[in-house]
Amino acid sequence: RKEVEQDPGPFNVPEGATVAFNCTYSNSASQSFFWYRQDCRKEPKLLMSVYSSGNEDGRFTAQLNRASQYISLLIRDSKLSDSATYLCVVNLRGGGNKLTFGTGTQLKVEL
Amino acid sequence: EAGVAQSPRYKIIEKRQSVAFWCNPISGHATLYWYQQILGQGPKLLIQFQNNGVVDDSQLPKDRFSAERLKGVDSTLKIQPAKLEDSAVYLCASSPFGGNQETQYFGPGTRLLVL
Repeated sequence: RKEVEQDPGPFNVPEGATVAFNCTYSNSASQSFFWYRQDCRKEPKLLMSVYSSGNEDGRFTAQLNRASQYISLLIRDSKLSDSATYLCVVNLRGGGNKLTFGTGTQLKVEL
Repeated sequence: EAGVAQSPRYKIIEKRQSVAFWCNPISGHATLYWYQQILGQGPKLLIQFQNNGVVDDSQLPKDRFSAERLKGVDSTLKIQPAKLEDSAVYLCASSPFGGNQETQYFGPGTRLLVL
């Protein structure tokens, strides 16, 4: 079983749609959780951290369910510029800052 | 603030040849990481440095890969000899101290093709 699992997509959605990505992780000792965004042929960049209480940044909402070992990302009112690959990332407790990445979910927002 | 610098940006070599990549992290960042990203996959950590010491190299194929950060600033990653399956993007990242919640800042990567 992969340490971090994501649906690779692609998710093709019209502009203005709401889209949700899910991610599961296998190690219950995971401590920190993130969503990174990676544009085509570019480097990954931090989109947002994910907290147990849930957190929101504009059109983006991230949720964490530790009991189910499940992380989600919701994008509302999607824009063309949201087209990218979204990487689910976890960090083990006591593991320094060693990040484990999922394979990513590709999003294509269309007119 | 200047970002993470990497060179070269692209490299094409034949199998069994050697290749080296260079990374200069964000100024003042103590922690430096090398990742390998194969097409269609997420980045995989190869090695993590804290200043000039190795913190984690558990996923580095040590029979052919080596890395150093002698002065605790810039770093080189070498592959010798290269195999076809080493074709990937090699990403360097840095963070201030290596703490669990720290953001890692990635460089643009070196795209390697082994023929």
